[in-house]
Amino acid sequence: DAKTTQPPSMDCAEGRAANLPCNHSTISGNEYVYWYRQIHSQGPQYIIHGLKNNETNEMASLIITEDRKSSTLILPHATLRDTAVYYCIVRVGTGSGGSYIPTFGRGTSLIVHP
Amino acid sequence: NAGVTQTPKFQVLKTGQSMTLQCAQDMNHEYMSWYRQDPGMGLRLIHYSVGAGITDQGEVPNGYNVSRSTTEDFPLRLLSAAPSQTSVYFCASSYSRDGEAFFGQGTRLTVV
Repeated sequence: DAKTTQPPSMDCAEGRAANLPCNHSTISGNEYVYWYRQIHSQGPQYIIHGLKNNETNEMASLIITEDRKSSTLILPHATLRDTAVYYCIVRVGTGSGGSYIPTFGRGTSLIVHP
Repeated sequence: NAGVTQTPKFQVLKTGQSMTLQCAQDMNHEYMSWYRQDPGMGLRLIHYSVGAGITDQGEVPNGYNVSRSTTEDFPLRLLSAAPSQTSVYFCASSYSRDGEAFFGQGTRLTVV
């Protein structure tokens, strides 16, 4: 699986958009970008994933650059409850190669302040 | 639908003791895994399974055993506990390789 690079920490004002970047310059064509978050030592929670098109769900939006070497997770109106560690993971979805189970780095610690 | 259930939530062991951390899922997921998380660190993969009867090692397997006799259960055994195994342990499951992973709430283990 491709390696990812995330800033160790970020902060955001409540009600503003939180934009969390992830660099994955070695991503290959069959690798997806996944985002998870972990709130205060709870088990991680899946947020969203995508291959090359931008994706949106009820939690967040995922913007993947055209060359797929980086992506941004957007929380459109951050709340205090969004304070968490956010993990960007790149891995093969189906087919051969890569790991069967996601592996996590240290992620980005997002603090949302009033 | 309980999702992924881990027991116990907290445990204190003495060095050299053995114990089993339980993990059960009721979603009929084929893929299950165990991670450990140390303070300030990300999650590190210990062992995983891609179906009943099939297990494999992750990044940090030493000192741990697993088995997968049923689809629902994936217990993690500590053979002889050491202080270095003090950590928070998370179990996860997913329906498929590319599916989202569902995590349990964790077991906080202290070895003294």
